[in-house]
Formats: sequence, C-alpha cells, structure tokens
Amino acid sequence: GENVEQHPSTLSVQEGDSAVIKCTYSDSASNYFPWYKQELGKRPQLIIDIRSNVGEKKDQRIAVTLNKTAKHFSLHITETQPEDSAVYFCAARASGGYNKLIFGAGTRLAVHP
Amino acid sequence: DTGVSQDPRHKITKRGQNVTFRCDPISEHNRLYWYRQTLGQGPEFLTYFQNEAQLEKSRLLSDRFSAERPKGSFSTLEIQRTEQGDSAMYLCASGVSLASYNEQFFGPGTRLTVL
Repeated sequence: GENVEQHPSTLSVQEGDSAVIKCTYSDSASNYFPWYKQELGKRPQLIIDIRSNVGEKKDQRIAVTLNKTAKHFSLHITETQPEDSAVYFCAARASGGYNKLIFGAGTRLAVHP
Repeated sequence: DTGVSQDPRHKITKRGQNVTFRCDPISEHNRLYWYRQTLGQGPEFLTYFQNEAQLEKSRLLSDRFSAERPKGSFSTLEIQRTEQGDSAMYLCASGVSLASYNEQFFGPGTRLTVL
C-alpha cells in the first residue's frame, strides 16, 4: 500500500547550523508533497509544499527538493533557530483524486542555543 | 480565529461509552478530512467529505466509527463502545477542491483518553 518513510526520527543541531530531513514515498502517482511543523500540544502547521512539476522550492530559510525518479524529497532548514525546534512531518498526496495525505512518522528537531 | 476549530479539545471517557467530536472547517472549504494521530506517529487518514458526501473511508474506520457532514459545513465523528486502543488525537483538516490547490489546514485536535 501507500507508504512514506521519514528519516531521521530525531535530529539535534546547534543554533545556526543546517538541518536536513529526508522522506521516500512508494506511490509513483503522488504529485503533491507538503511539510508540516507541529509544536508540542499544537496543530500541524503547513510550512512549505512542492508539486511534482517542480524540483525545488524555497521560502526564506526553508527549502524542499523533490526527486521523482528516486521517489524522495527533502526539507532543508538553514541558519536554524531555537524556535525551529518541533516535530516535522512530511506527507505525500495519495493518488485517486481525494487528496488524502500519507504522513511520515515525524522527525523531532532540537536546536540548541 | 478563522481557522479550523474542533470541540472538545480534550475528552476522557470510560471504556464502552460513546463519544462525539465536532469539527468546523474554514468557511469556504468544501473538503473535510479526519485523521487520527497516536503518540510519536504522523496523522493517519480516517475519512474524507466533499461537501456533504462521504467519499472515502479508511480501513482503520471500524464499524464503531461513524462520521457525518449533514449540510456540508461542520462535521461530527462518533465512536461507539470506545476501547482503550481508541485513545489518540483526532484531527480535522479542511481544504478546497481546485485542481491546482491541494493544501489542507488542520484544527487543534481532540485528544481522547479512554480509561
């Protein structure tokens, strides 16, 4: 069935360093890949997304890359700040027309001052 | 707050009781999704509505679960004869059905604890 794998499960970096989170997906028909940030006790918040007709998208300190051939996509955060600490989830839109999202298991990012 | 809202935010119930949760989507959104999130995991899809029609249900949604969206606005998710394994965060998300617009916006969730 449809599956999204996410690595690493935890990531610890020093403030100012870069962080990279990687995901692979199984459904070759997936064409939309959002990333959500979830702080403790709060709702998942959409931070960036990419569609399959684009290889890279950037928004200030965050960027996402997509390799459709290899079926993987990555989130890059540069110049990390303590407020970037959260759990990050990648997701892939399942094929079939109803837009349901298949989520990875999450990456807990800790940014140390 | 014009975002997705959910009520209640927390629910503690005893095993065997029925519970009902409500989701109010962003007003112009015709798509509504329910997801379940357990500790340390990503959200898992449960069911999807477009307007008032329930178009897809996950196999995770057993016979004890039922969802409605009677007027194409708010939605309810009912769990009958709750079990301890139902303990989770139940998230609602909404979006619009435009071909090039896939974003889903989540509510704060209802945390269910079954004792």
